[in-house]
Amino acid sequence: QLQLQESGPGLVKPSETLSLTCTVSGGSISSSRHYWGWIRQPPGKGLEWIGRIYYSGSTYYNPSLKSRVTISVDTSKNQFSLKLSSVTAADTAVYYCARQLGVYDSDYYMDVWGRGTTVTVSS
Amino acid sequence: QLVLTQSPSASASLGASVKLTCTLSSGHSTYAIAWHHQQPEKGPRFLMKVSSDGSHNKGDGIPDRFSGSSSGAERYLTISSLQSEDEADYYCQTWGTGLHEVFGGGTKLTVL
Repeated sequence: QLQLQESGPGLVKPSETLSLTCTVSGGSISSSRHYWGWIRQPPGKGLEWIGRIYYSGSTYYNPSLKSRVTISVDTSKNQFSLKLSSVTAADTAVYYCARQLGVYDSDYYMDVWGRGTTVTVSS
Repeated sequence: QLVLTQSPSASASLGASVKLTCTLSSGHSTYAIAWHHQQPEKGPRFLMKVSSDGSHNKGDGIPDRFSGSSSGAERYLTISSLQSEDEADYYCQTWGTGLHEVFGGGTKLTVL
């Protein structure tokens, strides 16, 4: 059974870079059928898609965050990562990683989610 | 602009049925959507994809009590025989060629 687990610092200072890693177990990140995505949820608010990556390294980002986001993949470790630069308090959220479909049929929805990790931006 | 609209809240009694609605913005009425739910203090879980023709593909282990349908720009999630564990936030999500993934604001379902 595929599982995803987010990890990384729970506290980041304003103006610094948030870095998170998602470890995939029970399946291969090199799947030709799937993308790997990041989604976040600010406290008491809804979900916001951040971006996704294919195992080859192709990336797609939310235009509202594109200038600050980098998603990368390490197939040897079965992991993918998120970096968000110049963070402010508005970036405080629970960050989820997820597997996404859409490689063959352009149906870009998440079908497996991680449990999420809370990141607080504060000095 | 691709926008999904959901009612903020809904409620229904234990054992009853409830139909949640997700409305696609003008010009996007043929888009498919996905339904996800989020139980308190947990991560989201994929429920199903619902296409414009009403067909739906459920995620692994999703009970038959959950079904999807469509009418025009509206996509529905119907939950029958409501159980206490169905109390959750329900989000619809969509996508489009050249567009990024978008979520609705979510509906908080209360089981009375």
